[in-house]
Amino acid sequence: GQQLNQSPQSMFIQEGEDVSMNCTSSSIFNTWLWYKQDPGEGPVLLIALYKAGELTSNGRLTAQFGITRKDSFLNISASIPSDVGIYFCAGLLRSGTYKYIFGTGTRLKVLA
Amino acid sequence: DSGVTQTPKHLITATGQRVTLRCSPRSGDLSVYWYQQSLDQGLQFLIQYYNGEERAKGNILERFSAQQFPDLHSELNLSSLELGDSALYFCASSPRTGGDEQYFGPGTRLTVT
Repeated sequence: GQQLNQSPQSMFIQEGEDVSMNCTSSSIFNTWLWYKQDPGEGPVLLIALYKAGELTSNGRLTAQFGITRKDSFLNISASIPSDVGIYFCAGLLRSGTYKYIFGTGTRLKVLA
Repeated sequence: DSGVTQTPKHLITATGQRVTLRCSPRSGDLSVYWYQQSLDQGLQFLIQYYNGEERAKGNILERFSAQQFPDLHSELNLSSLELGDSALYFCASSPRTGGDEQYFGPGTRLTVT
């Protein structure tokens, strides 16, 4: 199925470091969403973006909707051990009907 | 807790069998979405219902079907199960028909032996 390109695929970082990940597509999206998934759990919504260029924060998380509408970025500042998990981006595509397309995920591991 | 409930949490069945997964959306949400997540894979959108009607279809196999009932709960029916159908199945809900954020349930882990 169709998926967004998300990078990096995985990353190991030290506690206290900042983290950056991004999501790119060849398609234009109307909405970008970022989710975090813990093992065996459902994804939890972190941030939703609705306009090109929009920059939104949620605590230590900041996400941006790319100007071209084909990409989005998520930054986590001062990482802590509980940030570990898989981060997914999702784009909302309107092509006659609505379709959500998810990224391949970034697996984050934080070393204390 | 997202407010979306799914049952059962785990399901083990044999190839060729049929199972039904159930989802109750958040109070007030009219849209329900179903996703499949295979081991270490991303989420594959299967199908969406809004207020009882099918609204969008993704990569859903013909062996799979879904419906949304008047009380807005939804069921995903999987038939003629194959080993490759083993996966986590998530339900999500949102207030409207699209264009807004989705809230995911805890998932049903299906194992086909």
